[in-house]
Parts: sequence; C-alpha cells; structure tokens
Amino acid sequence: AQKVTQAQTEISVVEKEDVTLDCVYETRDTTYYLFWYKQPPSGELVFLIRRNSFDEQNEISGRYSWNFQKSTSSFNFTITASQVVDSAVYFCALSESVRSGYSTLTFGKGTMLLVSP
Amino acid sequence: DTEVTQTPKHLVMGMTNKKSLKCEQHMGHRAMYWYKQKAKKPPELMFVYSYEKLSINESVPSRFSPECPNSSLLNLHLHALQPEDSALYLCASSLLFQATNEKLFFGSGTQLSVL
Repeated sequence: AQKVTQAQTEISVVEKEDVTLDCVYETRDTTYYLFWYKQPPSGELVFLIRRNSFDEQNEISGRYSWNFQKSTSSFNFTITASQVVDSAVYFCALSESVRSGYSTLTFGKGTMLLVSP
Repeated sequence: DTEVTQTPKHLVMGMTNKKSLKCEQHMGHRAMYWYKQKAKKPPELMFVYSYEKLSINESVPSRFSPECPNSSLLNLHLHALQPEDSALYLCASSLLFQATNEKLFFGSGTQLSVL
C-alpha cells in the first residue's frame, strides 16, 4: 500500500525566512507520480508541481524549489524568502501506476505553514 | 477558464433536510471528483465520474448521492445526514481519469454544517 508522511504538522516562520516542508513516501511501484498542492484559507487546493519517478532532477520555480531523492523516498519543498501569502496548508501526494483500471491520489496529512510579518 | 466553481460556499442543514451541492467546470475535463475534508485532515476521495459514468464509489453511505448530468456538471445530493458529516466538500476535475499523472483542479469547496 502506498503511504505519504508529512511529519511536520505546523511550521511558523517570520517573513523572508527560508522554510523546507518534508515529504516521505512509500510505494512498491517503480512508476509513480508525486505532487504538491497548496490549500490557502479560501479552501481550494492549488496544484504546485508534479514529478514522475524517473525524473530526479530538482526544480525551481521562482521562490519555490523541490528536491526529489529516490534513495531516501523524499520529495521536499522549499520556499525561499517566505511571504505572508505563503501561509497555507501544503499537501504532498502520491499517485501510483494504474491498477484495476484507475489511479487515485494518496495525500499526506498536510503541513500548515504560518508566515508572520 | 481554469476554474472549478462550487455552490453554495456554505450550507447549514438539519438532519431531515434534503439539499444538493453543485460543481461546474468548463475546461473540457472528462473526470470529476467529490472529496470530503474534515478540519485539519487531508481530503478523502468519495466519488469519481469518468465520462459522466460513476467509476469509483469509496464505500460512501447512501445518504450521499452523486449525479453527473453532463460533462460540465457534478452534483452531490444530501439526505438525512448526520452531524459527523459536517465537513468541507471539495469538487475537482481532471482532463482524464485513467492516468497516473493527472493534475487535479479543485473548487473552493462547500463548508457543510449538519445540525
């Protein structure tokens, strides 16, 4: 069975600090996808990134960066120079290869990030 | 248009009421989802429709009844709910369903309170 662990329940930082959100996953599949979603107080989950299991290249998008390490089954997310607008719950999620005709997401429990001015 | 629109945003209902949640997308997506999210928990999948047909029902009680009238609309009919059903109900859509790498687009949800 697949599993996603986000050990950090809540993180508080002051604006402009860098912060890393951890994600560790378990799967028996060799083909899978990892995702990060952001859920601001308004409620909707916003897609941030998708990474497949064969692509270990790290990615940077503005102040966001992701570090995928297959050897440690981790897909960590770093926000550089955090801003108040980054305050949200962040979910890491795993999608395994299609089985029984479909594939669904397994979410971690989420990490609440609070950025204060 | 990259939005998933859900109505109403808030709903309070008694245990004997019948109400419906609505979800709409105009992105041409052929898969639509209902998720339930309790406070401080991750979303839990309830139903998936693929090409307007119910593909997944994650053992959801019959007091929740989904409906997909067309490729753009998804409803969730509620009847005889219990207080423990109070939660944020999220609708999502994706281009297709039977693919591992589908990116989901979520609505803002309906915050449901059952009294």
